[in-house]
Formats: sequence, C-alpha cells, structure tokens
Amino acid sequence: EVQLVESGGGLVQPGRSLKLSCAASGFTFSNYYMAWVRQAPKKGLEWVATISTSGSRTYYPDSVKGRFTISRDNAKSSLYLQMNSLKSEDTATYYCARGYNPFAYWGQGTLVTVSS
Amino acid sequence: DIQMTQSPASLSASLGETVSIECLASEGISNDLAWYQQKSGKSPQLLIYAASRLQDGVPSRFSGSGSGTRYSLKISGMQPEDEADYFCQQSYKYPPTFGAGTKLELK
Repeated sequence: EVQLVESGGGLVQPGRSLKLSCAASGFTFSNYYMAWVRQAPKKGLEWVATISTSGSRTYYPDSVKGRFTISRDNAKSSLYLQMNSLKSEDTATYYCARGYNPFAYWGQGTLVTVSS
Repeated sequence: DIQMTQSPASLSASLGETVSIECLASEGISNDLAWYQQKSGKSPQLLIYAASRLQDGVPSRFSGSGSGTRYSLKISGMQPEDEADYFCQQSYKYPPTFGAGTKLELK
C-alpha cells in the first residue's frame, strides 16, 4: 500500500524558515517524480514544487521560486521542502504527492501557519 | 499558465440523482485532465485521469468525458459517500493548474 506521511509543519513567524519532510513507503520511491501541493484554509489546490527521480531537475511556480527548495533522499525514501522567507500567504496545508502530472497518491498533509 | 474554470461552485443532489460538474480550460489540453475528490478533513484522491480513465478502486458510477477545452465529471446515482469537494486539474503542461472546486452536498 502506498503511504506518504508528511511532518514538520507548525507555527512560524513571517520571514523565518521551515523544513517539511515526507516519508514514503509501499512503492519504489526512486522510480517516481514527487511533488508538493498546498491548500490554503478553505481554498483550492496550488502546485508548489516537483522533483525528478534522481533529484537533478526541479520545478517551481513563480509564487515560491527562489524561496522554496524541493529535495529528496532516495536511500531514505524521503522528500523534503525547505521553505525560506515565509509569508502569511504561504499559510496552508502542504501535501506530498506522487507523480509528475497528475498526482496519483497524496499524503494526509501538514499544516503550516505563518503568523506573528 | 492554463486557467481552469470549474462550475458550478456548489450543488446539492438527492440520493440516486445523476450529477455533472464541468471544467473549461483556457486552451486545448488534449484530454490531459484529471479529477480529484476531497472529503471533509481528508487529502485529495485521484478519481479520473486522461479525461475518462478511472483510477483503480474508483466506483463505476463515476465517469469522465470531454475534449479540447471542455470536460465533465458525471456521478450516475449520488451516494452519501460522494458528498465531497471535487477539483479538476490539467496535466497537459507545467505548471499543473487546478479548478477552484465544486462542493457537492447530499440534499
């Protein structure tokens, strides 16, 4: 069974940093592109980042480019999202998802709240 | 970026009723369209990909159709467990973009 378990969310002040993690199991992690998708409270879905199987290629929307970094450790079957210079508009539940496009499996999400 | 316009924003259906949700892309997306279901407090689940292909385990009362810029999700016979938010998403090119969602409630 495919499982994706996010962690690392919490309350953080504007301008500070936070790193999210996603532990994957139930499939060969190194064979799949992985992504982060977020959802602001009571809002829709927004794609945040994608990483290739080896980690050599990464993709971001303009809204987070230069502030967020996606990475992976295939030996640990883990995905990460380093978020710097956080803004109030980054407040959302962050989901780890498997795939390039579309996203076949999603984790349960971790809530990030950016507030002073 | 490709814009996805989803309608209606909300609807209410009776048990057994057939329901349709529409999605309009700002340009042609060659059937690269996915539908997700998100139940309250849960993460999204992929229902349909490539416009009409059912993800494993999805009940056959769900179906997808469309072409070009217009796509639709149909639920043939509303069930209580179908009460959820539904999102479309174009998988034609990056960045992936989603519709604003449709809240489906049981009347």
